[in-house]
Amino acid sequence: QLQLQESGPGLVKPSETLSLTCTVSGGSISSSPYYWVWIRQPPGKGLEWIGSIYYLGSTYYNLSLRSRITISIDTSKNQFSLKLTSVTAADTAVYYCDRFTVLQGVITKWGQGTLVTVSS
Amino acid sequence: DIQMTQSPSTLSASVGDRVTITCRASQSISTWLAWYQQKPGKAPELLIYKASSLESGVPSRFSGSGSGTEFTLTISSLQPDDFATYYCQQYNSYSPSLTFGGGTKVEIK
Repeated sequence: QLQLQESGPGLVKPSETLSLTCTVSGGSISSSPYYWVWIRQPPGKGLEWIGSIYYLGSTYYNLSLRSRITISIDTSKNQFSLKLTSVTAADTAVYYCDRFTVLQGVITKWGQGTLVTVSS
Repeated sequence: DIQMTQSPSTLSASVGDRVTITCRASQSISTWLAWYQQKPGKAPELLIYKASSLESGVPSRFSGSGSGTEFTLTISSLQPDDFATYYCQQYNSYSPSLTFGGGTKVEIK
């Protein structure tokens, strides 16, 4: 049974960098046809796609966040990661790491999500 | 970027009601449209993919239709477990990128 688990600090100071890692278990991060995705949801608000990465390393980012985002993948550890720089209170959200299935065009596996609060 | 407009944002209904939620895309997305259900404190769950394909294990009272720019999610007979927030999501295979609609909260009338 594939599982995804987010990890990282739950509190980040304004202007600093938010760093999260997603550990994939029960399956290989190198399998296709999947992308590995980060999505966030501010408290009480809707879902926002942050970006996606393929196991070979190609990345695709939300244009509105592109200047602040880096998504990377470590196939040897079965992990992928998110870095978001220069955070503000507007970046406070539940961050989900997910598996996106290209053939269906949908997220077929969600992590449980982790709340990251930006506050001094 | 493709924008997704979902309506209504809130819907009040009773058990047994037929419920319809609409999602409009700012440009044609063929049938690259999915619907998710989210309950408080939980990750979303997939209901419908490719506009009208029912995900395995999802009750048949859920159905999806549409193509191009206009799509609907219908719940044929609302059940107590269906009170939740629903999101549409498009997939742009040329980018590739995802965009979600703003969500529809289905409340008890």
